[in-house]
Amino acid sequence: AQKVTQAQTEISVVEKEDVTLDCVYETRDTTYYLFWYKQPPSGELVFLIRRNSFDEQNEISGRYSWNFQKSTSSFNFTITASQVVDSAVYFCALCDLNTGGFKTIFGAGTRLFVKA
Amino acid sequence: SQTIHQWPATLVQPVGSPLSLECTVEGTSNPNLYWYRQAAGRGLQLLFYSVGIGQISSEVPQNLSASRPQDRQFILSSKKLLLSDSGFYLCAWSPGTGIQNIQYFGAGTRLSVL
Repeated sequence: AQKVTQAQTEISVVEKEDVTLDCVYETRDTTYYLFWYKQPPSGELVFLIRRNSFDEQNEISGRYSWNFQKSTSSFNFTITASQVVDSAVYFCALCDLNTGGFKTIFGAGTRLFVKA
Repeated sequence: SQTIHQWPATLVQPVGSPLSLECTVEGTSNPNLYWYRQAAGRGLQLLFYSVGIGQISSEVPQNLSASRPQDRQFILSSKKLLLSDSGFYLCAWSPGTGIQNIQYFGAGTRLSVL
């Protein structure tokens, strides 16, 4: 069965600290996509990144970086030099062919607090 | 550009009353449409999804229903609300088919059933 586990329920850091959000997934498919979404206090989920199962290259976008490791079924998200505006709930998600391609399985989310 | 509208933003309803939440998408055709519910402090639970007009797939048996009367309109309904229906409801759309599709979310409706 497909599953996404975000073991960290809440993380609190001080501004300018680096923080890593963990994501572990389960799937029997060899073809799948992984996503990260951000949910700020306003409530609307915002797409951050998508990676496919055949591309294990790490990706960096500004202060955000993602580490995809198939060997450990992990897709971790690091924020460098965190800012107060990064405070939000972050969701990791998985979509594979077992779900027909129409359903995305979301993790429970990690709430990040960045204190000034 | 594509936009998704969801309303109302906030709703307070008594137990046993009906519900109708509406979601519309602009700037695209034949989108996949989704309804999610997020309980307080919890993750997203997929309630319904639709790949076309009149095509609804239900993920969780409950007293809610969904309809898609038009290509870019998705409605979440209930005949009689329960206390457990309280939560944050999110509508989303994704383009076409394929597991690589990104979902784009509406601003959500915060429903309180009292």
